[in-house]
Amino acid sequence: GQSLEQPSEVTAVEGAIVQINCTYQTSGFYGLSWYQQHDGGAPTFLSYNGLDGLEETGRFSSFLSRSDSYGYLLLQELQMKDSASYFCAVRDRNYGQNFVFGPGTRLSVLP
Amino acid sequence: NAGVTQTPKFQVLKTGQSMTLQCAQDMNHEYMSWYRQDPGMGLRLIHYSVGAGITDQGEVPNGYNVSRSTTEDFPLRLLSAAPSQTSVYFCASSLRRGANQPQHFGDGTRLSIL
Repeated sequence: GQSLEQPSEVTAVEGAIVQINCTYQTSGFYGLSWYQQHDGGAPTFLSYNGLDGLEETGRFSSFLSRSDSYGYLLLQELQMKDSASYFCAVRDRNYGQNFVFGPGTRLSVLP
Repeated sequence: NAGVTQTPKFQVLKTGQSMTLQCAQDMNHEYMSWYRQDPGMGLRLIHYSVGAGITDQGEVPNGYNVSRSTTEDFPLRLLSAAPSQTSVYFCASSLRRGANQPQHFGDGTRLSIL
């Protein structure tokens, strides 16, 4: 089967850096994506990693290590508007090549 | 520039009733999908489609039907509503079912079954 694990909650202060980890278990891994969802809103795409290494998009970076079945989302220069839930999602060839989403990490940014 | 449009935004049903959740996208995307989101469980795939006339089951398909007669529309039907189907439903689309293709989500339908 497929399982993804994320911390349920993370708290940080404005201006800080925070890392949200994601571990997965599957033999059919294709790639890892990250989505942001504000309360009451729709998920929005943040990043994608298909190969090992770091991908940077502005204040957000995402990292993947396929040998460790592990990835993380790094948020720098935190702003109040970054308070949201963050989901990792693995595309899995054992799952019809569709995405399996993790349970989400709720990030609270404090002033 | 509508993106993915879902209707209705809110709905209350009685057990045993049926209804259709509508989803339309104007981006000419091939891949469309329906998810349900329950507290603390992330998003779970109900059904998906890789193109007009092609649909398949996801992780939690029981109690739901879909069809894809056009590229733009991908309605989700609840056959006989049950309280366990109380959830927030999201429709999403992407250009193709590629690993690096970002999914664009609608605003969701909040469904309560009494």
